[in-house]
Amino acid sequence: DADVTQTPRNRITKTGKRIMLECSQTKGHDRMYWYRQDPGLGLQLIYYSFDVKDINKGEISDGYSVSRQAQAKFSLSLESAIPNQTALYFCATSDRTSGRTTDTQYFGPGTRLTVL
Amino acid sequence: GESVGLHLPTLSVQEGDNSIINCAYSNSASDYFIWYKQESGKGPQFIIDIRSNMDKRQGQRVTVLLNKTVKHLSLQIAATQPGDSAVYFCAENIKWTNAGKSTFGDGTTLTVKP
Repeated sequence: DADVTQTPRNRITKTGKRIMLECSQTKGHDRMYWYRQDPGLGLQLIYYSFDVKDINKGEISDGYSVSRQAQAKFSLSLESAIPNQTALYFCATSDRTSGRTTDTQYFGPGTRLTVL
Repeated sequence: GESVGLHLPTLSVQEGDNSIINCAYSNSASDYFIWYKQESGKGPQFIIDIRSNMDKRQGQRVTVLLNKTVKHLSLQIAATQPGDSAVYFCAENIKWTNAGKSTFGDGTTLTVKP
């Protein structure tokens, strides 16, 4: 979905390096999420943010940090990358307008990260 | 004919057949469910959703069935086409918490044979 973009799309790095993955959205959504996907598995939530001032840990936040620079931007950092962080990373957005009950998420194309 | 899968990680069907992908959810408090399709090299995309006050919802060629008694969700795809080949995820959500996040299943890989 071109409304949610991720950079870079692919990255190869070495153990111990600091890596930042960036996500931008033009959907005007208030909520943003970072997921990790390992081969053959589902999505695991790393961090999520309901608005610029609200950041929450997900299931697997250890080793990761995030920054919500603006409503449209949510970046994920690996302070010191390790090989078991090799995975596909997805950013997603959703919009829970007051009174609505749906929380459909819209995903970016993913970033494939390899840590050697 | 139909191909019915238990909650298996893979499902292979013949083009033109109907497909049924199953999902068991864990939280009895979940009240909103979504099916996503993930094609190779892409992020998941919304297919169809259903609220807990419904037991069936139909879209274009897709139908979602919800059985709250046994906490089971299924996605039926009619006249399966090669373009339907993908990984399908179900997700559960709880409306009245402020968690605002979905819990995803592991996914089922659907392969459509020509």
